[in-house]
Formats: sequence, C-alpha cells, structure tokens
Amino acid sequence: EDQVTQSPEALRLQEGESSSLNCSYTVSGLRGLFWYRQDPGKGPEFLFTLYSAGEEKEKERLKATLTKKESFLHITAPKPEDSATYLCAVQYFGNEKLTFGTGTRLTIIP
Amino acid sequence: DAGVIQSPRHEVTEMGQEVTLRCKPISGHNSLFWYRQTMMRGLELLIYFNNNVPIDDSGMPEDRFSAKMPNASFSTLKIQPSEPRDSAVYFCASSSRGGAYEQYFGPGTRLTVT
Repeated sequence: EDQVTQSPEALRLQEGESSSLNCSYTVSGLRGLFWYRQDPGKGPEFLFTLYSAGEEKEKERLKATLTKKESFLHITAPKPEDSATYLCAVQYFGNEKLTFGTGTRLTIIP
Repeated sequence: DAGVIQSPRHEVTEMGQEVTLRCKPISGHNSLFWYRQTMMRGLELLIYFNNNVPIDDSGMPEDRFSAKMPNASFSTLKIQPSEPRDSAVYFCASSSRGGAYEQYFGPGTRLTVT
C-alpha cells in the first residue's frame, strides 16, 4: 500500500527562523513527488514537482529537495504570509493517482 | 485562465437527499480528478477521468456515489442518498498530461449533511 508520511504535523516558527518539513514515501516506482500549499478554505495550490533523487527546485523562500526515500521543503527566513498547510503527494508508475500525506500546518509568528 | 471552477461552494442538505456537485476543468486539460478532504482521512482521491473516460474509481466509497464527465468541460459528482458521514470538502482538480504531472485544484465544495 502506498504510504506518504509528513512530519512534523504542526510547526510554529518566529518570522525569519528557517526550518524544514519532511515527506517520506514508499521507495519503489516513484514517478513524481509533488508539493502543494493549502490556505484555510481554499484548494491546494501547486508548488513543485520533483522526479529524481538529487533534484532541487526553488520558489522565493521555498526550496524542495528529493532523495531516494524522502523529500524536504526548506523554508528560509519565513514571513507570516508563508503560514499555511503544506502537503506532499506521490505518484507511482502504473497508477496516475496522487497519494497525499496529511500535511504540515506551518505558522509563522510576526 | 479562470482556473478550475466548482459549484456550489457550500451545500447544506438533509440526510437522504440527492446532492450534485459540479466541476469545470481548466480549458485544454484532459484529466479530471475528484477528491474528498476530511480532518480524519485527509485528502483522498475518489475517481479520475482521462479524455472523459473514467480510469480509476477505486476510491469511490460505495454505490451511493457516482461521477460523470459528459464532455471535456464538465463533470458531476452525485451522492444519492446522502448521509451525515458524507460531510466533507470535495475538490475537483485537472491536469494537462494524463495525470502524470501537476494537478490544479478548484476552490472546493463544502458539503454538510444533517
């Protein structure tokens, strides 16, 4: 059974305090790993797709990295507007569906 | 682009009533996905379509749920009869390359069944 585990469940940071969110997945057959941001009352917003170990992608204060068994979302010098739930999802070869983790709820305190 | 459009945004209904949720995918996208999100189970795929054809409906909870995609610009998810445990936020998403790449989500329909 496909497994996606995100940690921590919740994270509170002071503005400017950098940190990382983790997403671990079942190892074999990964086609792609996706990161989304979800604000309260809204649909998930696409951030990144990573396809192979060693790949990195950046957007503003966010950088996503991928290894053979996990992905990290690094947040550098976050601002209050970065507060949201961050979801990761995986897609495996042979099945086009996305399997989502339960998310990390990030709160940035001014 | 208007993005994925869903209606209604909120629906409150009584147990036993029929509920129909609607979705218009992004123009040109050929894959459409229906998800359900709850606090207990997170975001779960219910069914997805490629080129208007249902490909995987293994996530549909039971026969009370049905989905159709009569054309490339419209899909419905129907629950008949509805039950309180169906209360959740239902999202529609679309993608442009057979689901192998990023999916773009609509704003969701918050369903409350009393």
